[in-house]
Amino acid sequence: GAVVSQHPSWVICKSGTSVKIECRSLDFQATTMFWYRQFPKQSLMLMATSNEGSKATYEQGVEKDKFLINHASLTLSTLTVTSAHPEDSSFYICSARGEGGNEQFFGPGTRLTVL
Amino acid sequence: GEDVEQSLFLSVREGDSSVINCTYTDSSSTYLYWYKQEPGAGLQLLTYIFSNMDMKQDQRLTVLLNKKDKHLSLRIADTQTGDSAIYFCAEYNNFNKFYFGSGTKLNVKP
Repeated sequence: GAVVSQHPSWVICKSGTSVKIECRSLDFQATTMFWYRQFPKQSLMLMATSNEGSKATYEQGVEKDKFLINHASLTLSTLTVTSAHPEDSSFYICSARGEGGNEQFFGPGTRLTVL
Repeated sequence: GEDVEQSLFLSVREGDSSVINCTYTDSSSTYLYWYKQEPGAGLQLLTYIFSNMDMKQDQRLTVLLNKKDKHLSLRIADTQTGDSAIYFCAEYNNFNKFYFGSGTKLNVKP
C-alpha cells in the first residue's frame, strides 16, 4: 500500500511554544489529508480535513486558530499546534487519500508532550 | 458525528478464531473499514468492504456486513500472538467523513 510518513515521531516542548508536525505521502499524490487526535486508550477523533490548495475544514469543537493546517502541495500537509499547553499533549495521526481513492493511508503518528 | 460502537476487550487462545463486532448508525455509509493498531504505532489498514456487499474474505480475515442491522464483524481465523493489538472499525460516508469506533483490544493467549 501507499506510504505516509510523519515528522517528528515524538516531540516534547514547553508550554506556550508552537510545534509543527509534517505529514507526507511518499509515493502518491494526496488530494485529501486528514488530521486525527488520539488520547490514550481512546479512539481517533477527526480534527480537520484538508484538500490541497484549499482551507482546511475543521470539525466542531476544534479551534482553527490553535491548530493551523496547511496543505500547500499534493504530498505535504502540516499541523501547527500554536501556544501549546499540557492539555494538548496527545498522539496526532495524519492520513492521506489519493484522488478518487477510497482507501485512507495512515501515518505512524506523532506523540506530542507539552510540559 | 455518527456513532460507531465496539466492545472494548476480547481475549482468545492462540489458534482459536476471533470475532470482533462493530455497530454503526450512519445510513449513508459507503465503505466500512477495519484497522489494526499496535502499541505506540499508527493505524494499519487490514481490509474494507463496500456497503452493498455482505461478505469479504482475505486470507485469515473474513468481514461480514449486515447492512439492515448496521452490524459489521471481523473474523480472524487461527489467531496468533502477533494479532494482539487494538482493532478499529470505521465507516466512511457520503460526506467524505470517516468515523471510528472506540477500538477493541484483542489479547491472544499462548
